[in-house]
Order: sequence, then C-alpha cells, then structure tokens
Amino acid sequence: GQNIDQPTEMTATEGAIVQINCTYQTSGFNGLFWYQQHAGEAPTFLSYNVLDGLEEKGRFSSFLSRSKGYSYLLLKELQMKDSASYLCAVTDSNYQLIWGAGTKLIIKP
Amino acid sequence: ETGVTQTPRHLVMGMTNKKSLKCEQHLGHNAMYWYKQSAKKPLELMFVYNFKEQTENNSVPSRFSPECPNSSHLFLHLHTLQPEDSALYLCASSQAMEGGSEQYFGPGTRLTVT
Repeated sequence: GQNIDQPTEMTATEGAIVQINCTYQTSGFNGLFWYQQHAGEAPTFLSYNVLDGLEEKGRFSSFLSRSKGYSYLLLKELQMKDSASYLCAVTDSNYQLIWGAGTKLIIKP
Repeated sequence: ETGVTQTPRHLVMGMTNKKSLKCEQHLGHNAMYWYKQSAKKPLELMFVYNFKEQTENNSVPSRFSPECPNSSHLFLHLHTLQPEDSALYLCASSQAMEGGSEQYFGPGTRLTVT
C-alpha cells in the first residue's frame, strides 16, 4: 500500500529552527509537496521537490532524497504565525496526490 | 483570496436530507478535486475532474454524487448521509493533473450530519 509518515505534533520556540520529517512509500514518484494549514483554514502551497536536494524559499527550505523516500521541511527564525499543521504529499505514478496526516507545529514564546 | 470559493461554509443536515456543496474556481484551471478532511487523518481524495471529465472515484459511497458542468464549477450532491460523514469537505483546483501543478484549495464546507 501507499503510505506517508510524519510526526503528529512538534513544539518549538519562537526564533528557533525546526525540521519536520516525512517518509513515504508510494507506487512511483512524481514529486513531493509541502502545504501549510492554519486551524480552520484551507491548506496553502509551500514547496515542491521533484529532484534530490535542497530548495530554499525565504525562511522555509525543503529537502528531498528519492533513494531514501525521505523529505524534510526546515523552518528558520520561527514566528508565532508559523503555528499550523504542515502536510506532506507525494504524487504517485498516476499523478494522484497521496497525503500524510500532517504535523501540528506549536510555537512557544 | 485563494481564487477558489466554496459555499456554504457550514452545513448541518439530517440523515434524510438532500443538499449540495458548491465550488467555483476563478483561476482558469483544468483540474478540480473534492477532498474529505477528518480530524487527525490524511486528506482523502474523493473525486477528480480533468477538463470536466471524471478521472478518479476513490471508492466513494454513492450517497456522494459529484457534478462538473464546466471547468470552473464543481458540485457535490449529498443524500442520506451518515453521522460518520461529518467532516470538512475541501475543493481544490490545479492547472493540470501532471507534473508539479500545485493545488489551490477553497476554504471548505464544515459538514455536520445529525
């Protein structure tokens, strides 16, 4: 079966750095997405990785290793507004998005 | 403003009612999706439409019936629902189904079945 694993919840301190991991087992791979979802709101796109390596976008970076079925989202200089759920999703061989359950990130002052 | 709108935002219905959820995208996208989001569970893909043609139906019960009259509008018709169908129903659209097309989500309809 297809599976995406990510931690259920993480806590970090304002101004710090946090890394949210995602591992996947899917039938084929056509890219990995990270989305942010604030409570009561729609998910919004953060990043897309299809090749191995690190993609940096401001305070957020996303890393992919296809051979290991592994990705992480790195958030730097954490702000209170970064408190949200972070969803990892993989596009399989049929171009269907397989979603993880999300990681709830709690930022403390 | 995400460019994807959904109505109603909240809906309470009895198990014998019939109601419809509406989604509209103003982005000129070709693919539209219905998802179900339950607490602490992954997003569940229900239906996919690509150029108005349904391409995916993930074993969704027949009490959920989608309709896509054109590439900008998507409906989810509901009838004789069960309490376990209570969830957030999200609509999304993307430029294409292939490649790195990110999906844009609407705000969702919070459905409660009593």
